[in-house]
Amino acid sequence: QQQVKQSPQSLIVQKGGISIINCAYENTAFDYFPWYQQFPGKGPALLIAIRPDVSEKKEGRFTISFNKSAKQFSLHIMDSQPGDSATYFCAASKRGGYQKVTFGTGTKLQVIP
Amino acid sequence: GAVVSQHPSRVICKSGTSVKIECRSLDFQATTMFWYRQFPKQSLMLMATSNEGSKATYEQGVEKDKFLINHASLTLSTLTVTSAHPEDSSFYICSADRDYGYTFGSGTRLTVV
Repeated sequence: QQQVKQSPQSLIVQKGGISIINCAYENTAFDYFPWYQQFPGKGPALLIAIRPDVSEKKEGRFTISFNKSAKQFSLHIMDSQPGDSATYFCAASKRGGYQKVTFGTGTKLQVIP
Repeated sequence: GAVVSQHPSRVICKSGTSVKIECRSLDFQATTMFWYRQFPKQSLMLMATSNEGSKATYEQGVEKDKFLINHASLTLSTLTVTSAHPEDSSFYICSADRDYGYTFGSGTRLTVV
């Protein structure tokens, strides 16, 4: 019930291309879905997040698409850049503050010139 | 924005000794902080939830006597790895909840030799 499944495990995209990472969850009580970016040796940094009352959220080159009925959400990185090369984690948590965050397994993105 | 400062960033200790890791919220009060452990190329594993002024809540399988957590103030939580052994070598990360925006520290790389 607490799992968040993430795919692919790794992704290689050419500079300027679109990177797409997918996640699926099981627990319908989740109501906050953030994406984190992590560089080697650093802690995760919040990239963008969405709540289930909207189907899409865009911030710059990053877009989250959310499908509540399918219990799936995805991250799209438009015009991918070498600086985007990092590990990306989707996550989910429940409403109510101070709730545990359940993380996906991570996707290592490599953007090649 | 919300900043969580974590120190040290890297520590090497001898087997059998104890190591303390500090996590401070710099510009906000954090009633609750979370401690994670991350193995290479893996996702974050929640170890415990640290609550100011009360005992920490540990996840199943985490030894509370080995990983001592103290949350003495609204801006400081500490994780002490007691009698460290090589298998405790890992990347430890803290995070604090800020109105649904979980902010992470930069992590501590612990190596036990």
